[in-house]
Amino acid sequence: DIQMTQSPSSLAASVGDRVTITCRADQGISNWLAWYQQKPGKAPKSLIYAASSLQTGVPSRFSGGGSGTEFTLTISSLQPEDFATYYCQQYNTYPPTFGGGTQVQIK
Amino acid sequence: EMHLVASGGGLVQPGKSLRLSCAASGFTFDSYAMTWVRQTPGKGLQWVSTINYSGSKTYYADSVKGRFTVSRDSSKNTVFLQMNSLRVGDTAIYYCARVVYSSGGPDRPGVHDPWGQGTLVTVSS
Repeated sequence: DIQMTQSPSSLAASVGDRVTITCRADQGISNWLAWYQQKPGKAPKSLIYAASSLQTGVPSRFSGGGSGTEFTLTISSLQPEDFATYYCQQYNTYPPTFGGGTQVQIK
Repeated sequence: EMHLVASGGGLVQPGKSLRLSCAASGFTFDSYAMTWVRQTPGKGLQWVSTINYSGSKTYYADSVKGRFTVSRDSSKNTVFLQMNSLRVGDTAIYYCARVVYSSGGPDRPGVHDPWGQGTLVTVSS
């Protein structure tokens, strides 16, 4: 199985801050990487697919980058509704695997 | 609007069975693979199973292979997860999701969008 490692596991930031989360795969996955946002008590929501493509309706302050084994999710200007946990997921091969999550908290 | 509603969770003893359902609406059900993902506080998100658009191919995590069976009923726009020989370690919230943007073909894994609200399965004596 492909192991996905996210860093940091948690971070504290203020409204307006630029935030970057990193996701690393232990083998190359091309650009077959997705990012999800999950708020407490809710199901995950898809934000980005193919490493850098935004799902319909996702604000442009979210962006994704990378290919191969290293990927990033960046929030350019953190908004109150962005405080949540973020997960990466590879879909290069079965089984699809998720990172451990990054909790973005209010500073 | 696309909508997935999962149901069937509950409290069950180890070794018993449970059947989860996920009713879909707002999209052409027969055109998409469907998947189950579970979440536990300690282990985060874990993919469980996927069934392709026609039901002809199924995929399972090693941890559930031989115990869980995924199926779909196009007349009811519903996907099912039959869970047998349940273990304490199967305790989790189970989410269903549609599979989109598969990597390189319809029988490859993909992105999960949207997700249902989840149904809690608790395996305990």
